[in-house]
Amino acid sequence: QKEVEQDPGPLSVPEGAIVSLNCTYSNSAFQYFMWYRQYSRKGPELLMYTYSSGNKEDGRFTAQVDKSSKYISLFIRDSQPSDSATYLCAMSTGRRALTFGSGTRLQVQP
Amino acid sequence: DAGVTQSPTHLIKTRGQQVTLRCSPKSGHDTVSWYQQALGQGPQFIFQYYEEEERQRGNFPDRFSGHQFPNYSSELNVNALLLGDSALYLCASSSTGDNEKLFFGSGTQLSVL
Repeated sequence: QKEVEQDPGPLSVPEGAIVSLNCTYSNSAFQYFMWYRQYSRKGPELLMYTYSSGNKEDGRFTAQVDKSSKYISLFIRDSQPSDSATYLCAMSTGRRALTFGSGTRLQVQP
Repeated sequence: DAGVTQSPTHLIKTRGQQVTLRCSPKSGHDTVSWYQQALGQGPQFIFQYYEEEERQRGNFPDRFSGHQFPNYSSELNVNALLLGDSALYLCASSSTGDNEKLFFGSGTQLSVL
């Protein structure tokens, strides 16, 4: 079993929809939770960064962490075609290395 | 402000050869990490360099080695290439005390034939 599980998709939604992306994990030592966006043939770009449990909002993006359930989510409101990319969750115990999920491919249809 | 730069962007090698990939971190960053991303997978941690020393290593064989220079730039070396080494190699930089906020380069696509 992988430490971080993420549905690979693809997830196809119409423009303007609310998108929900999720990851589950097994390592209770994870304290830092990140979401990265990766466009084709590009490196991952940090979208959201959360320490421990709770919610964080940044524009159209909201990240949620539920450590009791070992479950994290990323919500995208008013999705745009430019949001079409692969979304990677990542986690860390604070000892430098990040553990990534396999990524969910999102397609927003105009 | 230049972000993380990697060279070359693409590389084709044959089995058994050796390869060197290069990375310049984002301005103000002193820590460099290397990740391997196979097609359809998330990045896998190879190792991290800080103050010219390897600080942490993932589950990769000794064929993978690295170096960090006084100007914080870094190299990744892979010896005795295998077909399974074909992947996107990503360099990420961060600053001391903020190591979870990684900034990635666009990567080097390595193909081993």
